[in-house]
This record gives sequence, structure tokens and C-alpha cells, in this order.
Amino acid sequence: DAMVIQNPRYQVTQFGKPVTLSCSQTLNHNVMYWYQQKSSQAPKLLFHYYDKDFNNEADTPDNFQSRRPNTSFCFLDIRSPGLGDAAMYLCATPREPGANVLTFGAGSRLTVL
Amino acid sequence: GQNIDQPTEMTATEGAIVQINCTYQTSGFNGLFWYQQHAGEAPTFLSYNVLDGLEEKGRFSSFLSRSKGYSYLLLKELQMKDSASYLCAVTYGGSQGNLIFGKGTKLSVKP
Repeated sequence: DAMVIQNPRYQVTQFGKPVTLSCSQTLNHNVMYWYQQKSSQAPKLLFHYYDKDFNNEADTPDNFQSRRPNTSFCFLDIRSPGLGDAAMYLCATPREPGANVLTFGAGSRLTVL
Repeated sequence: GQNIDQPTEMTATEGAIVQINCTYQTSGFNGLFWYQQHAGEAPTFLSYNVLDGLEEKGRFSSFLSRSKGYSYLLLKELQMKDSASYLCAVTYGGSQGNLIFGKGTKLSVKP
């Protein structure tokens, strides 16, 4: 099974101060996903990568950007966090290559003051 | 568009059986998943249905009816550790399609 490691687990930032969250996965899977989950809500897909092919969901705000410097690593950049961006950010990759089942990282919980 | 409905909360007693229902409307359906999520933790995979019928895995079973856009998760011999949110999710759009999640059903297991 793929292991997905997210850092930091907890991030506190100030309103408007940029934040970067990181995700790494073993096995060099070509697909990676970023989800946002606000309190008591469903995880919502922000974007996903298929290899270097970046796919932005239509309703993902421009405030959210992503980078994938290599197969193992993926970053989520929030350029100017607002109070409404406080959430758990989950990174995921298929459990096995070609599988539909996802393995999630433990998540990064973002607090915006 | 995609829409997934499931009850917000349920309560059950330790040792009992509980059924969590999920209805969905989606185009290009590829399969339905159930994930378990404990508070403050990541979702973990429970089951996957792509064909109609019942999939059994230990104390957990999941059922799918594609014609009705309906699934349920059945938990038997409930344990206190089963207290968690249970997320219904559907995948669409290709073999590695994206997951759309429901809001989850928060299950509380009482002694």
C-alpha cells in the first residue's frame, strides 16, 4: 500500500499570510489528489495530478495553487488565506497503481487567525 | 451535476446492527465507496461496490443498486470504536476518476 505523508499536521497562520502544505508518497504513483474538508462537511476535491498533467476543479479559488516538482512530492500553496480557508487539507493517491481506492494522508489542519 | 445524500447523524447501541443509507445522482458512475473517518483523522477505505449486490467484509457489508442510485453500509456487532463518520463517495469519469464525497453520517455507539 502507498504511504502518504503530509506536513505539517497542524498549521496556524494569520489572515493573508501565505502557507505551503506538503505531501509525499511512496511507490511513485502518478496520480495525486488534494482535498479540502471543512468542519462537518464532505471532503471537496481541489485539484489532481496525472503525472505532470494538472487538473484544477472548476470551483477551486485562484487563491489555491499547487506544484509537483517530482512524482513523489506535491505542494499546496494558499497565497492569501482567509478565515474561510480554515480546514483540514487531505492529500491522497491510489492505493495501488490503477486502483480506484484512495489512500489518504493524515491531513494538515489549517487555522487562520 | 453530482449529488450524494446520507443522514447526518445516527445513534446505535453496542452489539447492535446499524444500516447507513446513501442515495446518489451522478453521471458517468464508475463505482461507490464507503470510507470511515474518526474525528480529526483521515478517511480510511472500508468497501467498494461497482456491480449491484452485497459485498461482505467481516462485520461490515455494503450494498449497491445502480438502477435506484442507492447504497447502504451495514455494521454488525457494533463496537465503541465504530463511533465515527461514515462517508459515501462515488467515482466517475474514467478508471482513475475523481471521488465525490457525501457529507458523512456521524455514528455514535452507546454502551
